[in-house]
Amino acid sequence: DAGVIQSPRHEVTEMGQEVTLRCKPISGHDYLFWYRQTMMRGLELLIYFNNNVPIDDSGMPEDRFSAKMPNASFSTLKIQPSEPRDSAVYFCASSSREAQPTGGERKRTEAFFGQGTRLTVV
Amino acid sequence: DQQVKQNSPSLSVQEGRISILNCDYTNSMFDYFLWYKKYPAEGPTFLISISSIKDKNEDGRFTVFLNKSAKHLSLHIVPSQPGDSAVYFCAASALGNQFYFGTGTSLTVIP
Repeated sequence: DAGVIQSPRHEVTEMGQEVTLRCKPISGHDYLFWYRQTMMRGLELLIYFNNNVPIDDSGMPEDRFSAKMPNASFSTLKIQPSEPRDSAVYFCASSSREAQPTGGERKRTEAFFGQGTRLTVV
Repeated sequence: DQQVKQNSPSLSVQEGRISILNCDYTNSMFDYFLWYKKYPAEGPTFLISISSIKDKNEDGRFTVFLNKSAKHLSLHIVPSQPGDSAVYFCAASALGNQFYFGTGTSLTVIP
């Protein structure tokens, strides 16, 4: 597998414009996370999905932010309208729970990250 | 509210010596802890993890220690190598499967 794929790698846009970030998770993973990296808060969880359903979006900073996962292999994070303070690196990550050979509770795997999208809003 | 805290933004260590990175958490429901390593312009990559049923996990030069009573974990790297220079993130997870990350510690290993 190629890993988690994010596009674009870099995005420069003018304040007020709409920005769409894209993510393709690892095939077979049923959890998808969107993070934002800032100096003050480190890796900040924005939203996460399980089986394409949003589970917790409490980290989404404002209504200007929205995320969708129309199918198991694609997710978008949209900012409309964008503002200079949205400038950051946005990461997508995916993970799953693996069945254990002996049965019982499925073991959680670590989250695998994409390379990130560096967003600059001028 | 930061549930996972890394209070040292940076750390410098001589090559060959031990690097100790620390992490504190507040949520007693966390049962799975991880360390990630991040190079510039790349995404974080998984390094090592530990379940709350253990107090130590070792993988080569990397050892993670968990002290549940103190809600503290640490990552030991020995011996440290220049290639270990990166930002290290501590993360924790509870049954809900979302991962909470700290703010990171930038490690510099001096040759």
